[in-house]
Amino acid sequence: SQQGEEDPQALSIQEGENATMNCSYKTSINNLQWYRQNSGRGLVHLILIRSNEREKHSGRLRVTLDTSKKSSSLLITASRAADTASYFCATVETSGSRLTFGEGTQLTVNP
Amino acid sequence: EAGVVQSPRYKIIEKKQPVAFWCNPISGHNTLYWYRQNLGQGPELLIRYENEEAVDDSQLPKDRFSAERLKGVDSTLKIQPAELGDSAVYLCASQSGSADTQYFGPGTRLTVL
Repeated sequence: SQQGEEDPQALSIQEGENATMNCSYKTSINNLQWYRQNSGRGLVHLILIRSNEREKHSGRLRVTLDTSKKSSSLLITASRAADTASYFCATVETSGSRLTFGEGTQLTVNP
Repeated sequence: EAGVVQSPRYKIIEKKQPVAFWCNPISGHNTLYWYRQNLGQGPELLIRYENEEAVDDSQLPKDRFSAERLKGVDSTLKIQPAELGDSAVYLCASQSGSADTQYFGPGTRLTVL
């Protein structure tokens, strides 16, 4: 079963703009991770944020986590055409070690 | 360092036929996962191995799916017999025991006709 719900399902922006994707989940978590999947490829890990963290940065990526609202956001700044991909959030529950994925956001960055 | 290797990349079979997928994880990764990803959705876990032991197979449809990880390295996932609803991408991932990050292979796209 899917844990997370991502919003929006699809996002289309111009190169240079920022892209924000949101993820909501249902249970208490140990950590939340974001993955990218290019068409026809496997998933690539982008960033992990733990339940005791509120914000994390990695290059052009910024992730926030609000455990009270059970939600996270991924911000990609100064987007590039190469950022075009599907982005998935995934959670690890406090009670287990299984990684449970959301349904993803399809991001299209137009040159 | 080589990533997770999967084969074949694509497979087309008729329903009721058997099919097998192979995965070679990153060297030294003792944890191996098989996921199924339906079109437009995120991956769903089928089975997780710690070395050669299946420690989480609660979501594996055991009537037709089986998996093995002999010697705790390579793994094979089998479906017999395949059904139309099994059409999906089957992803393998591996993880080092102390890390949180999973590394995914490119997947096998299965089409059941």
